[in-house]
Amino acid sequence: GAVVSQHPSRVICKSGTSVKIECRSLDFQATTMFWYRQFPKKSLMLMATSNEGSKATYEQGVEKDKFLINHASLTLSTLTVTSAHPEDSSFYICSAGRVQKNIQYFGAGTRLSVL
Amino acid sequence: AQSVTQLGSHVSVSEGALVLLRCNYSSSVPPYLFWYVQYPNQGLQLLLKYTTGATLVKGINGFEAEFKKSETSFHLTKPSAHMSDAAEYFCAVSVPSGTYKYIFGTGTRLKVLA
Repeated sequence: GAVVSQHPSRVICKSGTSVKIECRSLDFQATTMFWYRQFPKKSLMLMATSNEGSKATYEQGVEKDKFLINHASLTLSTLTVTSAHPEDSSFYICSAGRVQKNIQYFGAGTRLSVL
Repeated sequence: AQSVTQLGSHVSVSEGALVLLRCNYSSSVPPYLFWYVQYPNQGLQLLLKYTTGATLVKGINGFEAEFKKSETSFHLTKPSAHMSDAAEYFCAVSVPSGTYKYIFGTGTRLKVLA
C-alpha cells in the first residue's frame, strides 16, 4: 500500500512552454502533498506544501507564479511549470502525507529538460 | 528549528562489510526521524522510521537505525553490505505537528566494492 504515482517520468519541452506534472496517491487519501526539486547530486529542496482545497504554501525563494500548484482532490496534486526556461530543468519529486502513519510517500520523480 | 547533518557525502564499503551511515539532528521537540534510499532517477523509498517507543528500529533490506537522544543521532547500519545497496541515502527529521514537513540531510552516496 501507500503508492504515489507521478507522471510523466520525463519531459522535454521548448523554452517558453508550460509543463504540468501530476502526483496521485493511489491507495490512500492525502490531505497534504509536497513538491520538491532536486539538483544533480544534491538533496531535496522543498518547494511547496499543498493542502487539499486550499492554496499551496511556498517556501522562501520559490516563485509561486512560476510554479503553480493545484490540489483539487485528496488524491491528486499538480505542479505546472509556467513559461519554462532552461534553468528550470531539474528533477521534480512529489510526496503525499499519510495522516495515520506520519510519513511522506514519494513519487518516482519527473525529469524536466527545457531546451 | 530543526536541522539534519549527514556526515560523509560519500561512503565506500566492501561487499559483506558493515555499513554505517551517520545522521545527527537538531530539534527543540521530540522529532520523528526517517531514512530514505534513492536509486538513480527514482523517487525516495522509505527504509525505516522512528516516531516513539523502541529506539532500535528495523527497516527493509536488513537496515536498522538506533535513536540516541543523548547523542542526537540516528545512524543507519547494515551488518553486511550487498552490491544492490549502492544508492543515495537521505536522513530526514520531522516535527510531529501535523504538517509532515521534512528537513532532509544532504545525503550520503554509498558505494559497494566487489
